[in-house]
Amino acid sequence: NAGVMQNPRHLVRRRGQEARLRCSPMKGHSHVYWYRQLPEEGLKFMVYLQKENIIDESGMPKERFSAEFPKEGPSILRIQQVVRGDSAAYFCASSLRDSAGANVLTFGAGSRLTVL
Amino acid sequence: DAKTTQPNSMESNEEEPVHLPCNHSTISGTDYIHWYRQLPSQGPEYVIHGLTSNVNNRMASLAIAEDRKSSTLILHRATLRDAAVYYCILISSGNTGKLIFGQGTTLQVKP
Repeated sequence: NAGVMQNPRHLVRRRGQEARLRCSPMKGHSHVYWYRQLPEEGLKFMVYLQKENIIDESGMPKERFSAEFPKEGPSILRIQQVVRGDSAAYFCASSLRDSAGANVLTFGAGSRLTVL
Repeated sequence: DAKTTQPNSMESNEEEPVHLPCNHSTISGTDYIHWYRQLPSQGPEYVIHGLTSNVNNRMASLAIAEDRKSSTLILHRATLRDAAVYYCILISSGNTGKLIFGQGTTLQVKP
């Protein structure tokens, strides 16, 4: 089991360009989460998705950010018209609901976005 | 989910036990106590979790106070690879995966 796979690991964009970050969850996991870690700050929840559904997007910025988890293929975090403040590490996690209700997340290695 | 309080940093010597404390005085009856750690330049990694009873796994042990208002993560023999930021997080049984990562405890392990 390859774990949670994220790509690209590093992405450089100029201001105004688009960034697309991909996440393939662990085999058998149907729940995907995105977190962001700004430089020198803690991890912040962005969005929780199941196949073809956004369950909780309370942590997503209102503009320029979107996420999807299609029936087939990886989950995508899309950032339009990037600005320097979007430079951060973006982590994807997946989970298989524990029958006792204690949800354990498996995180990927992250995608580090640098906006010039 | 209730808030947790951890020391900012701790130091340990290699091959010695490490006890990482966490206070969660406002924990509710349905909150699980989870520990994750983040090694430098990596994603967070699940360590252990428990509800009321002490727990052991291959990575660590979790000691939970009888009133559940505090807990301690125990690394039995610290190695240099255990140097990381350790996060204590409370997760309610109905949580949708929206984990609240505080500042955590930065553990330094000295050879």
